[in-house]
Amino acid sequence: AQKVTQAQTEISVVEKEDVTLDCVYETRDTTYYLFWYKQPPSGELVFLIRRNSFDEQNEISGRYSWNFQKSTSSFNFTITASQVVDSAVYFCALSEATRGGSEKLVFGKGTKLTVNP
Amino acid sequence: KAGVTQTPRYLIKTRGQQVTLSCSPISGHRSVSWYQQTPGQGLQFLFEYFSETQRNKGNFPGRFSGRQFSNSRSEMNVSTLELGDSALYLCASSPAGTGQTGELFFGEGSRLTVL
Repeated sequence: AQKVTQAQTEISVVEKEDVTLDCVYETRDTTYYLFWYKQPPSGELVFLIRRNSFDEQNEISGRYSWNFQKSTSSFNFTITASQVVDSAVYFCALSEATRGGSEKLVFGKGTKLTVNP
Repeated sequence: KAGVTQTPRYLIKTRGQQVTLSCSPISGHRSVSWYQQTPGQGLQFLFEYFSETQRNKGNFPGRFSGRQFSNSRSEMNVSTLELGDSALYLCASSPAGTGQTGELFFGEGSRLTVL
């Protein structure tokens, strides 16, 4: 069965600090996708990144960076120079391979990030 | 481009009642998924519809059902409500065809409270 673990329930940092959100996953599939979503107080989940299982290159997008390591089944997310607007709940997710295609995601429990001014 | 629209945003029901939630996907998106979010269980997949057919279903009892219309709009229904059904119900749409992308676009959700 697919499983995503986000061990950090809550993290609190001061503005401009760097912060890393951890994500560990379990799957028997050889082909899968990993994601990060951000959920601000408004409720909607905002897509941040998708990474497929064959691409272990790290990715950087502005202040955001992601580190994918298949050897440790981890897909960690780092925010550099955090800002108050980064305060949200962040979810790591894994796609499950199903016959006929599907958009089903298995989510971790989320990490609530609070960035204090 | 309009985002995913969910109605109603908030609703209160009593145990035993039923509820219908509506989701209008982004124009052109053919896949609609539903998720339940609770503090205890987190985000859990309910079901996904593609071209009016249920393509996948999560581990929820038969009281939870859904459907998709020809214009891709979707509804989900929960019958015989229980206190534990109180949750934020999130709808997500995707432009995907038969492939798996998982780039879901979420609505703001319908917050259901069961008293």
